[in-house]
Amino acid sequence: GENVEQHPSTLSVQEGDSAVIKCTYSDSASNYFPWYKQELGKGPQLIIDIRSNVGEKKDQRIAVTLNKTAKHFSLHITETQPEDSAVYFCAASPPSFGNEKLTFGTGTRLTIIP
Amino acid sequence: GAVVSQHPSRVICKSGTSVKIECRSLDFQATTMFWYRQFPKQSLMLMATSNEGSKATYEQGVEKDKFLINHASLTLSTLTVTSAHPEDSSFYICSARVSGGGYNSPLHFGNGTRLTVT
Repeated sequence: GENVEQHPSTLSVQEGDSAVIKCTYSDSASNYFPWYKQELGKGPQLIIDIRSNVGEKKDQRIAVTLNKTAKHFSLHITETQPEDSAVYFCAASPPSFGNEKLTFGTGTRLTIIP
Repeated sequence: GAVVSQHPSRVICKSGTSVKIECRSLDFQATTMFWYRQFPKQSLMLMATSNEGSKATYEQGVEKDKFLINHASLTLSTLTVTSAHPEDSSFYICSARVSGGGYNSPLHFGNGTRLTVT
């Protein structure tokens, strides 16, 4: 089955600086890679996703890059703000039409220092 | 759109009792829902896949007789923790995809249920 590794486990960044979180996956059949943000006591919220037919996707201050050859993908947050502080999870999935499973990384606790 | 509502958000029960957690898709239909368990400062672990009108599929190591799942309609799945024990204390989260949402449609999560067994 799929195995997703995520680094770093904790990350502290000065407000306004950029944060980068990296994930690697093992199953070459995976082609869907979402990123979730989880705030304390809440469920994960999808913030961005990427499919294997693209190498990069950007949404305002958030971007995700994918290297299928190396089997790794990264989340980039620019101009960080205090409200970006949360736990971020990457995930990977094979082609899905409904019931295929997501495999999650171990999470990164991001702290933005004011 | 695509809101998943989970109830209750917190529950405390005594050892030996059963607890039911509801997961509803509020503005979409979900043929399949997923139940996850999360321990403090850890990742989400898939427990089971809930299929409308049929039996749930459990992950390896998850006791199906302890964690009863019912998916009676396209908008409701329930997880019942039977004969709960302190080691069942955890954060339980459900998720769902829009039925017919197309290739790799996003997975939407509820806000979780914090179960504490005393």
